Amino acid sequence: AQKITQTQPGMFVQEKEAVTLDCTYDTSDQSYGLFWYKQPSSGEMIFLIYQGSYDEQNATEGRYSLNFQKARKSANLVISASQLGDSAMYFCAMSSESGGYQKVTFGTGTKLQVIP
Amino acid sequence: DGGITQSPKYLFRKEGQNVTLSCEQNLNHDAMYWYRQDPGQGLRLIYYSQIVNDFQKGDIAEGYSVSREKKESFPLTVTSAQKNPTAFYLCASSIVSGWSTDTQYFGPGTRLTVL
Repeated sequence: AQKITQTQPGMFVQEKEAVTLDCTYDTSDQSYGLFWYKQPSSGEMIFLIYQGSYDEQNATEGRYSLNFQKARKSANLVISASQLGDSAMYFCAMSSESGGYQKVTFGTGTKLQVIP
Repeated sequence: DGGITQSPKYLFRKEGQNVTLSCEQNLNHDAMYWYRQDPGQGLRLIYYSQIVNDFQKGDIAEGYSVSREKKESFPLTVTSAQKNPTAFYLCASSIVSGWSTDTQYFGPGTRLTVL
């Protein structure tokens, strides 16, 4: 069974500082994908970044980077130069093939608040 | 502009009523999904569909039903058999290529409240 663990229910970060949101996962699959989504108060889930299990380099998308440590089964999200608009819930997710479809397992999320 | 639309944004249901949540996408995605989100929790899969006229139960399908008559549309009906339907419902879609690489894109969600 797949499991995603986000141990930080809430985080504070000063504007313009960097912040790391933790995510660990558990799976016996060899091929899987790791995702981060942002959910502002409006509710929509916004895709941020993806990392494949076979990718050797850490994924980056603008101010977002994914610190992938396969041996530790961790996929932490790093947000550089935080902005007030980054205040939101952040969800880590993992996908793999299960019974012929893409099963995605979500963590419980981390609420990030950016302080001016 | 390609994307996923969900309607209504807010929905109120009386006890014993069935209600239908709409989900439409113009991304030309083959796969569509319905998730439920409760406060303080992650998303849980209700139903998914990879092709027209075919759909499968997810982890919490009891009390829900779906149809997939068109590629673009995947409506969810919350039946009176669903004992605790108050939640936030999210629809998503993705291409179907390599299973673990397919990114799911989400609609804005529908918040359902039982009166």
